[in-house]
Amino acid sequence: AQRVTQPEKLLSVFKGAPVELKCNYSYSGSPELFWYVQYSRQRLQLLLRHISRESIKGFTADLNKGETSFHLKKPFAQEEDSAMYYCALSGGGAQKLVFGQGTRLTINP
Amino acid sequence: DTEVTQTPKHLVMGMTNKKSLKCEQHMGHRAMYWYKQKAKKPPELMFVYSYEKLSINESVPSRFSPECPNSSLLNLHLHALQPEDSALYLCASSQGLAGGPGEQFFGPGTRLTVL
Repeated sequence: AQRVTQPEKLLSVFKGAPVELKCNYSYSGSPELFWYVQYSRQRLQLLLRHISRESIKGFTADLNKGETSFHLKKPFAQEEDSAMYYCALSGGGAQKLVFGQGTRLTINP
Repeated sequence: DTEVTQTPKHLVMGMTNKKSLKCEQHMGHRAMYWYKQKAKKPPELMFVYSYEKLSINESVPSRFSPECPNSSLLNLHLHALQPEDSALYLCASSQGLAGGPGEQFFGPGTRLTVL
């Protein structure tokens, strides 16, 4: 079974502080992992995916197969990072995404 | 055009009504999706169409009936819904290449209320 766990429903940090949103997954094969973000009054959109290994808006995420994790990190949070973040998994070549429960990130000024 | 559009934005219907939700994309994507999202919950997959054929049905009740008339359009026909079906219905599309969904592009959603 495919499962994605985001242990924090809410996360609040101050502007300029580092931020880490946790994501753990359960999948027996080789998964593809994604982070999607939803800013206030905007549609859900892709932030980054592990196979591209790039930094978007200062965020990075590394797939750790040993720990089955795909944590999202940013060294210096900005107020515009406040949003709902979903970790998602796809496996086995299926055209299907399984989402975690989401973490609402609030950046305080 | 790099957006997924959905109509209507809002829909209120009674339990005996028949209505349809529409989704459109002109990005040449060959996979299209319907999701249901309840408040403060993640999107839940309902249906996947791949190359205009239904490839995944996540055990959705038959009161929801999807249709893919062509590669750009996706409909969701609604009949005899229940109040618990009230939710935000999201459409998404992706290139649909073998190996997985890749990046999915989401529409803004239709807010459905069943009275």
